[in-house]
Amino acid sequence: DGGITQSPKYLFRKEGQNVTLSCEQNLNHDAMYWYRQDPGQGLRLIYYSQIVNDFQKGDIAEGYSVSREKKESFPLTVTSAQKNPTAFYLCASSSVGALTEAFFGQGTRLTVV
Amino acid sequence: AQRVTQPEKLLSVFKGAPVELKCNYSYSGSPELFWYVQYSRQRLQLLLRHISRESIKGFTADLNKGETSFHLKKPFAQEEDSAMYYCAFHGGATNKLIFGTGTLLAVQP
Repeated sequence: DGGITQSPKYLFRKEGQNVTLSCEQNLNHDAMYWYRQDPGQGLRLIYYSQIVNDFQKGDIAEGYSVSREKKESFPLTVTSAQKNPTAFYLCASSSVGALTEAFFGQGTRLTVV
Repeated sequence: AQRVTQPEKLLSVFKGAPVELKCNYSYSGSPELFWYVQYSRQRLQLLLRHISRESIKGFTADLNKGETSFHLKKPFAQEEDSAMYYCAFHGGATNKLIFGTGTLLAVQP
């Protein structure tokens, strides 16, 4: 189903703790993306990667970190430096190239208490 | 910097009425533009891309470079069109995939 999987679906953490969100794809895509979706603000790009072992900051990278050690995996860590971490997080993947379709995961809702 | 603007947060129409969801972009080069849709309880998915010049589910979108717009249109709205619609830009020097803030389309019976 879908080819791109995010886990878990819901995540609760205490304030001050780092938390890692998982994103795995079996579509053989080189490019992967992390977005944050907040009501009224659409999808904002956190980080993206076009190839293994390389990634770039998006528009709201502060307080987040990523790694891309494997083509299939692009985990996102929400650090304690992120001031408003409670949000819905979406991962996507695509082939490299401007005209290609991006495929999205089902999302992870992170709640920090 | 590349930017995509969707001025309407909510668009409410009656079934059978025409629909136009607005999208404007800022980019000096040749943009690659898309419309994505998110139906209730489903994943975000591609609706159409400008290069294909296709009609999907009755929707079309024309790139107007003079007005830097890529509005999504449908002549007769159906209730099943109710969803969140996002305009997206891909490419440029950074090769980012950037989304607008989205427009919620509500089609009333």
